[in-house]
Amino acid sequence: EVQLVEAGGGLVKPGGSLRLSCAASGFTFSSYTMNWVRQAPGKGLEWVSSISSNSIYISYVDSVKGRFTISRDNAKKSLYLQMNSLRAEDTGVYYCARRWAEAGAFEYWGQGKLVTVSS
Amino acid sequence: QSVLTQPPSVSGAPGQRVTISCTGSSSNIGAGYDVHWYQQLPGTAPKLLISGNNNRPSGVPDRFSGSKSGTSASLAITGLQAEDEADYFCQSYDSSLSGPWVFGGGTKLTVL
Repeated sequence: EVQLVEAGGGLVKPGGSLRLSCAASGFTFSSYTMNWVRQAPGKGLEWVSSISSNSIYISYVDSVKGRFTISRDNAKKSLYLQMNSLRAEDTGVYYCARRWAEAGAFEYWGQGKLVTVSS
Repeated sequence: QSVLTQPPSVSGAPGQRVTISCTGSSSNIGAGYDVHWYQQLPGTAPKLLISGNNNRPSGVPDRFSGSKSGTSASLAITGLQAEDEADYFCQSYDSSLSGPWVFGGGTKLTVL
């Protein structure tokens, strides 16, 4: 059974940093592109970042470029999102999600972790 | 403002059929990219409901179906059940954007 379990959310002040992690199991982690998708309170879904299976291809939504860094450790079957210079508008639930193909669906999702940026 | 447009809400009585539309443009749905649909039950993570326009993952009831035409797509739910009350999101790929994975704003389905 495919499982994605996020950890590391919480409350942080504007300008602060937080690191999210996502532990994968039940599939060959090193074969898949992994993603972070977020959802602001009461709002829709927004893709945040993607990293290819071998970490060569990395992309970010414009609003987080230069502030967030995605990475992965295939040996540990883990995905990470380092979030720096956090802003109030970064508040929301962050989900890790597996994607098979470039234009493919986000097939499996973690349960999500709440990140709250507030003074 | 979402790249893909969905109605904010739809409703239907148990047993009825409802449809949810997802309107895009020539750089996403109209360019031939697949549309995927997700169901988000209250307080839970999104779950893939329909992939590749009209394919149901294992375990998804055949009451759910998808279609695509031109720059739009639709999700149909037949035999509406109380447990279908949820938010539904469409998603596609937009070749004109640096961050090409785009979602609709979501549609809240209320079962009357």
